[in-house]
Amino acid sequence: EVQLVESGGRLIQPGESLRLSCTASGFTVSSNYMSWVRQAPGKGLEWVSVIYSIGTTFYTDSVRGRFTISRDSSENTLFLQMNSLRAEDTAIYYCARSGSNWEFDIWGQGTMVTVSS
Amino acid sequence: DIQMTQSPSSLSASVGDRVTITCRASQGITNNLHWYQQKPGKAPKRLIYAASSLQSGVPSRFSGSGSGTEFTLTISSLQPEDFATYYCLQHNSYPLTFGQGTKVEIK
Repeated sequence: EVQLVESGGRLIQPGESLRLSCTASGFTVSSNYMSWVRQAPGKGLEWVSVIYSIGTTFYTDSVRGRFTISRDSSENTLFLQMNSLRAEDTAIYYCARSGSNWEFDIWGQGTMVTVSS
Repeated sequence: DIQMTQSPSSLSASVGDRVTITCRASQGITNNLHWYQQKPGKAPKRLIYAASSLQSGVPSRFSGSGSGTEFTLTISSLQPEDFATYYCLQHNSYPLTFGQGTKVEIK
């Protein structure tokens, strides 16, 4: 079965760091374009970052320089390293695979990150 | 950045109604536009890709149209399971941007 499972979300204090993981089954993470998308409580969807199969990365402005997307082929896992966390980073974080038409065809169930003192 | 303006932000409709949701892009994005459905507590689900292509397994009452800067999602006959929030997404350029969402509620 093709699926994505996120983990790593928790309550964390402002200024601290956190790494999210997204483990894939049924396909190879490193052969696909993989993104992180977040959703603040009661709000809409916001794209965060993408990593191409060739390793190229892009970020939304609000996280560039603080977040780093990466992957581990041996674990078939996507990561999001989040540093200098802010209250406004509080959200459910989803990982998603881009399909053949660049749409997000597979989504994880999401992991909740709460940044609060 | 490309801004996606989605309207309406919410609507109330009855089972059997025809529903139309619009997304306008701040600049031309050809057909690089997708539509998603999200139910409470769940991840979004792909409905339409490349503006007008119906995802396999999605009921034919859903359709998408448009190109350039104006796009529509139409539900021809609203069913009880269609009450949800709908989002458009442009992938023409980074940062990828979603519309603000349209919450479809029961009248």
